[in-house]
Amino acid sequence: GAVVSQHPSWVICKSGTSVKIECRSLDFQATTMFWYRQFPKQSLMLMATSNEGSKATYEQGVEKDKFLINHASLTLSTLTVTSAHPEDSSFYICSAIFPGAGELFFGEGSRLTVL
Amino acid sequence: DAKTTQPTSMDCAEGRAANLPCNHSTISGNEYVYWYRQIHSQGPQYIIHGLKNNETNEMASLIITEDRKSSTLILPHATLRDTAVYYCIVRVAGSGGYQKVTFGTGTKLQVIP
Repeated sequence: GAVVSQHPSWVICKSGTSVKIECRSLDFQATTMFWYRQFPKQSLMLMATSNEGSKATYEQGVEKDKFLINHASLTLSTLTVTSAHPEDSSFYICSAIFPGAGELFFGEGSRLTVL
Repeated sequence: DAKTTQPTSMDCAEGRAANLPCNHSTISGNEYVYWYRQIHSQGPQYIIHGLKNNETNEMASLIITEDRKSSTLILPHATLRDTAVYYCIVRVAGSGGYQKVTFGTGTKLQVIP
């Protein structure tokens, strides 16, 4: 199947710093990508929908100034956690819609730990 | 997207068929049923999807009731590697437009040796 790749797979940072996570569709162009976060033993929670060439649409309760999303090309969306705090520690997962059939493929996830 | 309800957890003996139910009573006519699974600390993996007919692929079978209000994912011969959380979601297929995809709590399937 189609491949969606995230980088980095895991990252540890100090409180107050910003962290960028990349999501790439490796063999297809994706006009729409989604960002999720997942806390231990919980389901995936949709954070925002990233649309190429336009502003992301955030879910209720998700701070858009805290979680900056940029979908600058048809193969890359980035999530930047600004001024990270320990409560932002989580597993962040992206997904992309495959054109045509509309299949949804997921990245491997990125584990963020904020000290 | 319509909401789905699944049992929180299930056990299955290795080699036996695992039958995972999902209720989606408010599904719309143009919404497909998709199944994904998530192995610990990995991204969700696509398994199968269908609209109203039963579907089968190399991983699983999907049985959708005639009224489309529920479905069952069948893993014909469960192995230890099938231990995962299985998510049933409903969504409109096709790439046109904005399609928010939300997840329910899923079913944690434990395959027992």
